[in-house]
Amino acid sequence: GQNIDQPTEMTATEGAIVQINCTYQTSGFNGLFWYQQHAGEAPTFLSYNVLDGLEEKGRFSSFLSRSKGYSYLLLKELQMKDSASYLCAVYPSGSARQLTFGSGTQLTVLP
Amino acid sequence: DTAVSQTPKYLVTQMGNDKSIKCEQNLGHDTMYWYKQDSKKFLKIMFSYNNKELIINETVPNRFSPKSPDKAHLNLHINSLELGDSAVYFCASSPEVRFTDTQYFGPGTRLTVL
Repeated sequence: GQNIDQPTEMTATEGAIVQINCTYQTSGFNGLFWYQQHAGEAPTFLSYNVLDGLEEKGRFSSFLSRSKGYSYLLLKELQMKDSASYLCAVYPSGSARQLTFGSGTQLTVLP
Repeated sequence: DTAVSQTPKYLVTQMGNDKSIKCEQNLGHDTMYWYKQDSKKFLKIMFSYNNKELIINETVPNRFSPKSPDKAHLNLHINSLELGDSAVYFCASSPEVRFTDTQYFGPGTRLTVL
């Protein structure tokens, strides 16, 4: 089966930096997505990694190590509006394009 | 204009009833999906259609039947609703079924079965 692990909850202070980790054990690998989901809303796309290394997009960066089955999402200069759930999702191998999601990390940003 | 829209946003119904959720996307995408998000926040794929053809049909009860009248619409019909069907159902779309394609989600339909 496919297994994706993320911490359930994290808390950080406004203006700080936070790193949300994701480890995965899947049958093959075809890419990893990070989505942000505010309470009661739809998940929205943040980043995509398929090769090892760091992808930077403004205040958000995402890192991937395929050999370790590991990714992290780095959020800099935290703002109150960053309080949300962050979902890690992986495409395992196979002909069906089934994106497998972790259960999400609920981030609370405190003033 | 909303890219992926779903109706209704909230649905409260009794056990045993039949209900439908509608989804429409105006992004010109070829692929659409239905996901179920349970109380533990796991987002799990149920169905996927590409150009009106079913390509993913996960292990869901056959009380759930998707229908795609055209590639911009994917509706979900649920027969004989059960308590365990209570969840948030998200529709999503992507340009095609390539691994690099981002999925765009609708606002969700919160289904409560009493």
